[in-house]
Parts: sequence; structure tokens; C-alpha cells
Amino acid sequence: EPEVTQTPSHQVTQMGQEVILRCVPISNHLYFYWYRQILGQKVEFLVSFYNNEISEKSEIFDDQFSVERPDGSNFTLKIRSTKLEDSAMYFCASSHASPSAGSSYEQYFGPGTRLTVT
Amino acid sequence: ILNVEQSPQSLHVQEGDSTNFTCSFPSSNFYALHWYRWETAKSPEALFVMTLNGDEKKKGRISATLNTKEGYSYLYIKGSQPEDSATYLCAFSGRDDKIIFGKGTRLHILP
Repeated sequence: EPEVTQTPSHQVTQMGQEVILRCVPISNHLYFYWYRQILGQKVEFLVSFYNNEISEKSEIFDDQFSVERPDGSNFTLKIRSTKLEDSAMYFCASSHASPSAGSSYEQYFGPGTRLTVT
Repeated sequence: ILNVEQSPQSLHVQEGDSTNFTCSFPSSNFYALHWYRWETAKSPEALFVMTLNGDEKKKGRISATLNTKEGYSYLYIKGSQPEDSATYLCAFSGRDDKIIFGKGTRLHILP
């Protein structure tokens, strides 16, 4: 069964460093998402991406964050200058459709990357 | 601010018993309600996506109902088994591409 994959599974970085989290969505999916979960808190939406551009983003997704689909398979989340409070589990998800496309959809999640900022 | 509430936060159920828990969500701008099952050290697994008021979905011993007018959904598990132990997340999506998650209900099945 196709699945979303994410690398690395765990990333440790120093405050102020740039990190890139990588995701390979399911191959025929068109919509891609990043979420994060800070330990003990809710899963939070960061950004959705379709047709090579951001379709929606949350207040969390500020100028320090960017997303890219550099080739036909990868979907990356870059944090330009990490802060301690960026430590969280970051989940990538993909879906075949989206609410704005007017059809029901399911999101498939990757296993997550645990980011630890020291 | 849109909020999704789940209750109870945690639940202990004897193996073989049936159980249910609740998700409440904004009733305006509703598009879909999602239920996920999240086991420790794994990623959330989609259980159901429901869009219509009165929808009822079933997968094996697990079923869910949806009331969009009053903004709630119930998840039912019949005859709980140890493998049902997990956190059950619900998530609301409006007519945009955002999804808002609840905090989850942590279900523990007691042997």
C-alpha cells in the first residue's frame, strides 16, 4: 500500500541553524500539508500546498518557514533560523483532493520527523 | 477562533465492553469531519471522513455519526479489544484547506 515517507526521523539542531525536513507524498496525490505537534499539545496545521504554490497557511507559518516541491516527488519544509520553540514532531500529509476542490478526501500522514532545537 | 473539543480526554475501558466519545466542532463553514486513530510511535491513520449531516460510517467494530447542525460527532467502538488502545483524534475542515484538530481521546483497553 502506498505511504507517505519522511526523513530524517529525528533531527537535532542548534538554535539559529537552518533545517530542511523532507517528505515524499503518495505519488498520485496533488495536495500536500505540513503539521506539527509540540509535546503535550494539539496537532497544529502549518501549511497546505497545491499546484506548486501555498494554498493556505496558519499564523504559525511565518517568514521563518518555507515549503518547496523541488522535483516531482519531494515536498520540503525549511525553517530558516530555528528557535527553541520550534522543537516538535513535524508531520507531512498528502491527499488526492481538498475541500476547495469540492470533493471528500482523506489525508495520509507520514511517520513524522522529531525536531529538537538545543 | 475556531476550536475542536474532544471528550473525555482519557478513557479506560474493560476488554469486551463498548464505548463512545465525542468531538464538538464549529457548525458554521463546515465542510468535513475527520476521525484518525493514532497509536504511539506511529502516524495518525485516517478512519473516517464525513461531510453530510446525519452521516454514519462504519469500519469493522468502529462507527461514527455526524451532526453538523449542532456541531458534534460520536465515535463508537463495539466490543473493545486490546489493539483498540490508541489516541483517537477528530479534525474539522472548513471550506478552505485548513484542518483543525482536537486534543484527542486517549483510550486504554484493560485486559
